[in-house]
Amino acid sequence: DTEVTQTPKHLVMGMTNKKSLKCEQHMGHRAMYWYKQKAKKPPELMFVYSYEKLSINESVPSRFSPECPNSSLLNLHLHALQPEDSALYLCASSPPTVNTGELFFGEGSRLTVL
Amino acid sequence: AQRVTQPEKLLSVFKGAPVELKCNYSYSGSPELFWYVQYSRQRLQLLLRHISRESIKGFTADLNKGETSFHLKKPFAQEEDSAMYYCALKYNFNKFYFGSGTKLNVKP
Repeated sequence: DTEVTQTPKHLVMGMTNKKSLKCEQHMGHRAMYWYKQKAKKPPELMFVYSYEKLSINESVPSRFSPECPNSSLLNLHLHALQPEDSALYLCASSPPTVNTGELFFGEGSRLTVL
Repeated sequence: AQRVTQPEKLLSVFKGAPVELKCNYSYSGSPELFWYVQYSRQRLQLLLRHISRESIKGFTADLNKGETSFHLKKPFAQEEDSAMYYCALKYNFNKFYFGSGTKLNVKP
């Protein structure tokens, strides 16, 4: 399995809902990422997990809560989101190589907040 | 602060013409640079990394530290090259910063 898999592909939620995005990879990668991509914009880094520990939080609001239960799984828990949080949420992973590590992206979860 | 600049939002060329997508970076450390590509309805994927000095699908990119550039070039564009191209800078071990992207449109 050489892919990063994200579920769900589409999610519509109200501002009071609680939902989660899920990401899975079985390539043995030890770094996993959440990116946010608005329409016609580049991906923006949100969180990085390295060896299942949160290593980078790019000042993301607390209504986004990441979780890395094991080396293959990454979740993004969503609560009390705002309409401006509507975007494509991309998960990525990278191999444990300091100098040549590249990002492997999932197809994304398209989130709409009503 | 680190920065990646892609000055062209859209680049249109005819099939068979040379193409150059520009990327300039600003980073005080030793840069690691990548080109990522997103074809229509496909996921974002790696095209090239400067450290490999390879040619992929006829594309090459050379890191010019003097000009702080990492331009992507192909001598003869093909219609299937039409896509969104992002230049990316890797820094602080695990951070990837993406430029704003250039949409390449290759006309028949």
